[in-house]
Amino acid sequence: DAKTTQPPSMDCAEGRAANLPCNHSTISGNEYVYWYRQIHSQGPQYIIHGLKNNETNEMASLIITEDRKSSTLILPHATLRDTAVYYCIVAGWGGSQGNLIFGKGTKLSVKP
Amino acid sequence: GAVVSQHPSWVICKSGTSVKIECRSLDFQATTMFWYRQFPKQSLMLMATSNEGSKATYEQGVEKDKFLINHASLTLSTLTVTSAHPEDSSFYICSARVGPEQYFGPGTRLTVT
Repeated sequence: DAKTTQPPSMDCAEGRAANLPCNHSTISGNEYVYWYRQIHSQGPQYIIHGLKNNETNEMASLIITEDRKSSTLILPHATLRDTAVYYCIVAGWGGSQGNLIFGKGTKLSVKP
Repeated sequence: GAVVSQHPSWVICKSGTSVKIECRSLDFQATTMFWYRQFPKQSLMLMATSNEGSKATYEQGVEKDKFLINHASLTLSTLTVTSAHPEDSSFYICSARVGPEQYFGPGTRLTVT
């Protein structure tokens, strides 16, 4: 079973920031938080991952709370092409702990 | 980011035949490759994990004799669906891991008639 809880759906206006929350209250000390997204009928696309520090790359920012029990993925300026299902996944490094188990994700709809 | 390819992107086959799907990591060597299946309007479900040169590890409920996985090199894994039936029709997606990061292929749509 997935170790994360996400809202099933969210809307966001084009050009605004999209903030996608994720709860992972049972995360272990050696587990990372990963974010992927899946646009309809395509393979999942890697977005970002982090352990305990906030992370930023060209796609998004990841904010992890100090107790690591929740995180937020931020898309700073959402576009229509960001409409997708976003998955928050908790997994370890290597071995079976590194297997990515997908939950139901959040369906983000970016509207003009 | 790293690129993972799959071939074919879609395939239609008759019931009872076998189908092979290839997964390649194009610009990196993957220590571990994974196979997922996704039915319409559902999330991805992990089928099996494979390491180069060793037998695949299958998730509970996945028939290893039906879904044959071969991981012959650090850049290639194949999934063969043997004696396919209409209920095997699905979207099959592979992924490859390098370090803590995992990259996914574009998926293969299998339709069994």
